[in-house]
Amino acid sequence: DIQMTQSPASLSASLGETVTIECRASEDIYNGLAWYQQKPGKSPQLLIYNANSLHTGVPSRFSGSGSGTQYSLKINSLQSEDVASYFCQQYYDYPYTFGAGTKLELK
Amino acid sequence: QIQLVQSGPEVKKPGESVKISCKASGYTFTQAGMQWLKQAQGKSLKWMGWINTNTGKTTYAADFTGRFVFSLETSASTAYLQITNLKNEDMATYFCARARYGWFAYWGQGTLVTVSS
Repeated sequence: DIQMTQSPASLSASLGETVTIECRASEDIYNGLAWYQQKPGKSPQLLIYNANSLHTGVPSRFSGSGSGTQYSLKINSLQSEDVASYFCQQYYDYPYTFGAGTKLELK
Repeated sequence: QIQLVQSGPEVKKPGESVKISCKASGYTFTQAGMQWLKQAQGKSLKWMGWINTNTGKTTYAADFTGRFVFSLETSASTAYLQITNLKNEDMATYFCARARYGWFAYWGQGTLVTVSS
């Protein structure tokens, strides 16, 4: 199975700040990577697919980048509604696997 | 609009069975397979597998063989997840999701399964 190592596990940032979350795959996943946002008690919401494609309706302050085994999610100009947990997921190979998550809080 | 609506929370005893439904609307049910995922409280997501809504063929992740069964009622655009012989470690929220190309663009609201004696 492809292991997804996500960092940091938690993150505290101020409104307006830029934050970056990283995900490292145990092997090359050829941009087969998605990012999700999950708020407490809700289902995950797709933000990014194919490593850098913004899902419909997702604010442009979210962006994804990376290649090979290293990927990142950047949130520009942090808003209060961005407080949530974030997960990466690889879909290059079965079984689909997720990172352990990053909990983003406001400072 | 595409919607996946799951059945309500369940409370079961160890050894019992549970069947969760996921009703799809807003698209042709057989256009995309139905995926199932598990999330224990405070944990990340685990992909359980998927069912081909055209053929009924199922694919299970290694941790979800034996006691887990995916099924369909195509006429009702509904997919099901059944878990038999429930164990404490099955206590979690279960999600159905649609993934045409590998990423999960549409999710059900989740069904909490509580296992308690």
